[in-house]
Amino acid sequence: RKEVEQDPGPFNVPEGATVAFNCTYSNSASQSFFWYRQDCRKEPKLLMSVYSSGNEDGRFTAQLNRASQYISLLIRDSKLSDSATYLCVGRIYNQGGKLIFGQGTELSVKP
Amino acid sequence: DVKVTQSSRYLVKRTGEKVFLECVQDMDHENMFWYRQDPGLGLRLIYFSYDVKMKEKGDIPEGYSVSREKKERFSLILESASTNQTSMYLCASSTPQVSGNTIYFGEGSWLTVV
Repeated sequence: RKEVEQDPGPFNVPEGATVAFNCTYSNSASQSFFWYRQDCRKEPKLLMSVYSSGNEDGRFTAQLNRASQYISLLIRDSKLSDSATYLCVGRIYNQGGKLIFGQGTELSVKP
Repeated sequence: DVKVTQSSRYLVKRTGEKVFLECVQDMDHENMFWYRQDPGLGLRLIYFSYDVKMKEKGDIPEGYSVSREKKERFSLILESASTNQTSMYLCASSTPQVSGNTIYFGEGSWLTVV
């Protein structure tokens, strides 16, 4: 079983739609979680950190449920520019701070 | 502006060649990482280093070695390149801080082994 698992998609949605990505993790030593965005043939870039209390950044909302070992990302009012691959990431601090990546969920927003 | 630089962006090497991928960061970060990314498999950790001359194996270290002689430089070495090492390689660096996210990626090195 992968340490961080995501639905690979692709998710094809129209502009303006709301889309939700889910992620589960198996390593309870993972202490911090993030969502990264990766455009085609580019490096991943941080989208947002994920907190147990839930956090919002504009159209993006992230949530962490430690009891269920579950992370989510909600994108409201999708834009064409949101088309990318979204990576769920856990960070394990007692192992040198290494990042554990999910395989990514591909999002395609259509006009 | 903070920077992680991978000097070789696109390489084509022959099977059996020794390949060096260099990564330099200018942020005085303790931790550095090498990942490879393949379609359907995501990013997988090859090696990481949390201090000069220190290294730890990641999830897929076979066929690779690393060198960290200076804090700012972390090199990935393919002793004898094979076609299954064709991939995109990403270097990253970070502080060891618990809170927040201070992880930066290089732009990636696309390696083709023929």
